[in-house]
Amino acid sequence: GENVEQHPSTLSVQEGDSAVIKCTYSDSASNYFPWYKQELGKGPQLIIDIRSNVGEKKDQRIAVTLNKTAKHFSLHITETQPEDSAVYFCAASIPGNTPLVFGKGTRLSVIA
Amino acid sequence: GAGVSQSPSNKVTEKGKDVELRCDPISGHTALYWYRQSLGQGLEFLIYFQGNSAPDKSGLPSDRFSAERTGGSVSTLTIQRTQQEDSAVYLCASSLVLPYEQYFGPGTRLTVT
Repeated sequence: GENVEQHPSTLSVQEGDSAVIKCTYSDSASNYFPWYKQELGKGPQLIIDIRSNVGEKKDQRIAVTLNKTAKHFSLHITETQPEDSAVYFCAASIPGNTPLVFGKGTRLSVIA
Repeated sequence: GAGVSQSPSNKVTEKGKDVELRCDPISGHTALYWYRQSLGQGLEFLIYFQGNSAPDKSGLPSDRFSAERTGGSVSTLTIQRTQQEDSAVYLCASSLVLPYEQYFGPGTRLTVT
């Protein structure tokens, strides 16, 4: 089955700097890659997703890139703010009635 | 509009007791999922329901776990004879189409003493 590896497990950046979180997946058939943000005591919130027919997608300060050949995808956050501090999860899914497989998460701390 | 809601938000139970956790998905969402998140860990898939199809129970960790979805809407996750290792946050999500754009509820924190 699908396996998703996420790095780093923790990341600290200065406010205003960029943050990058990377994930690799094992099944080349995977075609859907969402990213979730989870704040303390809350459920995960979908922040951006990408499908395999697209190489990059942006939404304001957040972007996701996908490299299908290398089987990895990344989350980029620019101009980080303290409210970006949270745990971020990547996930992947193969076509058909299959569930998402999540990475183990990255705890991002933005230092003011 | 209303998001996914779960109840209770917290549940403390004694080892060996049965518990029921409830999920109200977003109206119109045909797919509903249950996940488990242990302290500081990622999300572990438990079960999903898609329309009128048979549920995918492949993630349930033991036969003490079961779930049902009545009328294509509300779902209940039942854990029988709870064990301490069942302590975790149980998250429910729903989406229009499996597996895209899943929206999560706030979770139920289960503590087994």
